[in-house]
Amino acid sequence: EVHLVQSGAEVKKPGESLKISCKGSGYSFTSYWIGWVRQMPGKGLEWMGIIYPGDSDTIYSPSFQGQVTISADKSISTAYLQWSSLKASDTAMYYCARTSLVTTIRSAFDIWGQGTMVTVSS
Amino acid sequence: DIQMTQSPSTLSASVGDRVTITCRASQSISSWLAWYQQKPGKVPKLLIYKASGLESGVPSRFSGSGSGTEFNLTISSLQPDDFATYYCQQYNSYPGTFGQGTNLEIK
Repeated sequence: EVHLVQSGAEVKKPGESLKISCKGSGYSFTSYWIGWVRQMPGKGLEWMGIIYPGDSDTIYSPSFQGQVTISADKSISTAYLQWSSLKASDTAMYYCARTSLVTTIRSAFDIWGQGTMVTVSS
Repeated sequence: DIQMTQSPSTLSASVGDRVTITCRASQSISSWLAWYQQKPGKVPKLLIYKASGLESGVPSRFSGSGSGTEFNLTISSLQPDDFATYYCQQYNSYPGTFGQGTNLEIK
């Protein structure tokens, strides 16, 4: 069965760094794009960026470019989302999600991780 | 970026009703549109891909239509399990943007 399992909830202070993870299993991790989606408390879904673990090709939303870094380690079937200096406004649930079609970026997200809640507070 | 606008933002309906949610794109996205359902505290779930393709395991009362800039998600006969928030998402070009969501609530 196909799964994306995300790392656990985090509580951080403003200015701290953070890297959260998303581990894929049950499929060829290098052959499907993995996206990251933010959901702030009580708000809608926001597309942050997407990576192809096969070659680490990455596309960011302009809204998130420079604010986060998306990466992947194909040797352990894991994608990452990281911040170098968190802000209170980064408080949100973060989901990873896999595209439904092999290799193509033009594809809906069919498999979602369970989400990682990030809380940034002094 | 392509902007996606859903209407209505909130929809009140009863079990058994037929309901339609509309999603409009700021420019043509062909049929590269998905619909997701999200219940409170839960992970989004893919319902419809490529505007009208029904995802495996999704009940046939859900259907999608449209192309270009205007799309609809229709639920033919609402069931208690369908009360949730629905999002459209375009994946014609990147960033792949979501609509702001439609909260489907019980009347």
